[in-house]
Amino acid sequence: NAGVTQTPKFRVLKTGQSMTLLCAQDMNHEYMYWYRQDPGMGLRLIHYSVGEGTTAKGEVPDGYNVSRLKKQNFLLGLESAAPSQTSVYFCASSSILDRGAFFGPGTRLTVL
Amino acid sequence: GENVEQHPSTLSVQEGDSAVIKCTYSDSASNYFPWYKQELGKRPQLIIDIRSNVGEKKDQRIAVTLNKTAKHFSLHITETQPEDSAVYFCAASINSGYALNFGKGTSLLVTP
Repeated sequence: NAGVTQTPKFRVLKTGQSMTLLCAQDMNHEYMYWYRQDPGMGLRLIHYSVGEGTTAKGEVPDGYNVSRLKKQNFLLGLESAAPSQTSVYFCASSSILDRGAFFGPGTRLTVL
Repeated sequence: GENVEQHPSTLSVQEGDSAVIKCTYSDSASNYFPWYKQELGKRPQLIIDIRSNVGEKKDQRIAVTLNKTAKHFSLHITETQPEDSAVYFCAASINSGYALNFGKGTSLLVTP
């Protein structure tokens, strides 16, 4: 039981490049989330999903897109990376019964 | 998130003393309030949570209180130990849903 995993762990991009962050969970959780963490800013919600095929915007969605084609996977895309998107990205998941969110190990992204 | 305020931002206590972290929220529909501990370089981990139909919950040295009327909740750690040193985040559910807004965190240092 791996819990929540994220790929990749680290990435360096140049401004304007695109990339996709992958989140996978093996706990059969219905809900999945993408957060970004910046120093002094806490965790800010980017997008979330309440089920396969559904997504919703969070607090800071601009510049990101998401997809949830399978229940266990939640993808975060950056179409044209900007230095302001330099951050640590955490994926999380939770179940209907137990609302506590389980976090993945994070992806450290640097945009030059 | 902007709807959850957390204080203090830093807290230093001596081993054995108690630590209290306070949060306020603005969304009156919020009904779930978890607390997370994040050690340096690690993922946030759920340590305790409380739902809106309960005023207090305790788990060994950790307790959380909730005042729905005043829209604030607090984390209490008794008999602090050096391994309690970490950043603690409070969170509140967005409306009565499953996504969370987080406070900006409290860096707790427990000195021997």
